[in-house]
Amino acid sequence: QKEVEQDPGPLSVPEGAIVSLNCTYSNSAFQYFMWYRQYSRKGPELLMYTYSSGNKEDGRFTAQVDKSSKYISLFIRDSQPSDSATYLCAIVQAAGNKLTFGGGTRVLVKP
Amino acid sequence: SQTIHQWPATLVQPVGSPLSLECTVEGTSNPNLYWYRQAAGRGLQLLFYSVGIGQISSEVPQNLSASRPQDRQFILSSKKLLLSDSGFYLCAWSVLSGSPGNEQFFGPGTRLTVL
Repeated sequence: QKEVEQDPGPLSVPEGAIVSLNCTYSNSAFQYFMWYRQYSRKGPELLMYTYSSGNKEDGRFTAQVDKSSKYISLFIRDSQPSDSATYLCAIVQAAGNKLTFGGGTRVLVKP
Repeated sequence: SQTIHQWPATLVQPVGSPLSLECTVEGTSNPNLYWYRQAAGRGLQLLFYSVGIGQISSEVPQNLSASRPQDRQFILSSKKLLLSDSGFYLCAWSVLSGSPGNEQFFGPGTRLTVL
């Protein structure tokens, strides 16, 4: 079993819809959670970072963490074609210096 | 602000040839530095990380090596490339002593094709 599982997609949605992405993890020692967006042939860029259970909002993006279920989510409201990319979750243990990445979910927002 | 550079952007090399990929970071001191490989349609695999000059930790036994000759320079090398070395190579940095969550910031990547 992989430490971090993520549905590879592709996830296709119409413009304006809510995109819902999630990851599950197996190690309860994981404490910090990130979401990266990666456009084709580009390096990943950090979107959201959180370390506590609950929700964190940043513009159209909401990150949600449920440590009891070992489940994290990213929601994108009012999706735009420019949101079409691969979204990677990344998780790190407390005070660690190595990230464990999910395999990424490819998202396609159709105009 | 901090900037991370990688070169070359793309590279096509024959099997058995040597490799040298370079990464430099600007605007920060004493960063942690990382090399990742991403196979097509897959997640990121950590290859090496460094917490200081000359300090390299290897995550995966393989045909590659890394060096950190200067504080903000990280080099990925191979003496003889294999077909399986093809992939997208990403360099990343993080603050050495800061957020315990260790947010990492990535460079633009080098796409390597071994023929």
